[in-house]
Amino acid sequence: DTAVSQTPKYLVTQMGNDKSIKCEQNLGHDTMYWYKQDSKKFLKIMFSYNNKELIINETVPNRFSPKSPDKAHLNLHINSLELGDSAVYFCASSRVATGGNTIYFGEGSWLTVV
Amino acid sequence: TQLLEQSPQFLSIQEGENLTVYCNSSSVFSSLQWYRQEPGEGPVLLVTVVTGGEVKKLKRLTFQFGDARKDSSLHITAAQPGDTGLYLCAGAVAGKSTFGDGTTLTVKP
Repeated sequence: DTAVSQTPKYLVTQMGNDKSIKCEQNLGHDTMYWYKQDSKKFLKIMFSYNNKELIINETVPNRFSPKSPDKAHLNLHINSLELGDSAVYFCASSRVATGGNTIYFGEGSWLTVV
Repeated sequence: TQLLEQSPQFLSIQEGENLTVYCNSSSVFSSLQWYRQEPGEGPVLLVTVVTGGEVKKLKRLTFQFGDARKDSSLHITAAQPGDTGLYLCAGAVAGKSTFGDGTTLTVKP
């Protein structure tokens, strides 16, 4: 079984649309993340949740709204998509929230906004 | 401002060559990790170093944490095409991990 799974893997959509990416982890971890990797491969944290509570929000536009119904799930909803939102979005999890713990990544969701 | 800078940004070598990539910062880290990301996949942890001056070996890969815990290096001996990928360092500070800007390695057969 995949430890961190996210869907869809590929998403092509028009500017202005609203889309969601779902993520689930079966590792029993307390902490989940969303990362954005741009075309230059720079991996930047967007959000971090610990036991369903938001603990990190790295100045992400409020068009991006994460939702954690339980500690095994962290979904990402994006409103009014813009061209600059095109990137690969990685969901990830770690056992606890402190830095230095192993971060387990999903396979990524390739978002293209046209 | 990038907290962790990696060099070189791109590296293309022939199979069998040795290489070293670097991860540098002005910040002190409580620990530092190296991840490898293959095309179409998410990053996967290779190693975590915690103590200043620590050296860890993983088959042909040797990782070193700087004495001052501000920098790290990854040395690969006799590189193979399977080593191709994006290598990312991640430093832990103030309770969270921050990733470097990555080194893209291509090993040609």
